[in-house]
Amino acid sequence: NAGVTQTPKFQVLKTGQSMTLQCAQDMNHEYMSWYRQDPGMGLRLIHYSVGAGITDQGEVPNGYNVSRSTTEDFPLRLLSAAPSQTSVYFCASSRAGHPGLAGGRGETQYFGPGTRLLVL
Amino acid sequence: GENVEQHPSTLSVQEGDSAVIKCTYSDSASNYFPWYKQELGKRPQLIIDIRSNVGEKKDQRIAVTLNKTAKHFSLHITETQPEDSAVYFCAARGGADGLTFGKGTHLIIQP
Repeated sequence: NAGVTQTPKFQVLKTGQSMTLQCAQDMNHEYMSWYRQDPGMGLRLIHYSVGAGITDQGEVPNGYNVSRSTTEDFPLRLLSAAPSQTSVYFCASSRAGHPGLAGGRGETQYFGPGTRLLVL
Repeated sequence: GENVEQHPSTLSVQEGDSAVIKCTYSDSASNYFPWYKQELGKRPQLIIDIRSNVGEKKDQRIAVTLNKTAKHFSLHITETQPEDSAVYFCAARGGADGLTFGKGTHLIIQP
């Protein structure tokens, strides 16, 4: 299994440009999520999905869109990039969407390698 | 929503000594508490987790304790080694939404 994969690894955008960060997992996980990591801020949840066709907002959703048309893929779209969106973005997945399901181990989240985004 | 506080932000210990990182959470409904280790330029990796029906869990040199009444949990690393140097994050989760992370502790192991 490749696990959780993300593309691109690094991207430079100009203010106002749009782009899509790709995330895929081959573990048949129901739950997928996007986090951003900024220095001194830990990881903050942007959007998440508990299954195909279902998405919801996290702590910092503004400026980002997601969709979940398949179990495997969970792309993150930046509609109009701003310098404040300069960050490292991590995608994560887990077998179950809710703690305690799937035999008690379903909530272990596996992270992708990250995408480093610079907005000028 | 959930709020997770993590202390200290930086911890320096001598090789072979123990290290303790503490976290508090605000939502009494949270029932899953993982700890992640992140090396420079790498993804976070789960090192240990604990559920609210357990007070302590140990895995070799790493242990986690949970006090539900006080809403705090701690990571204990014994006999620290140079490869333990990294940033450690605690997190909490109660429902179907994502993890809420602490801001991280930079652990430095002095030779």
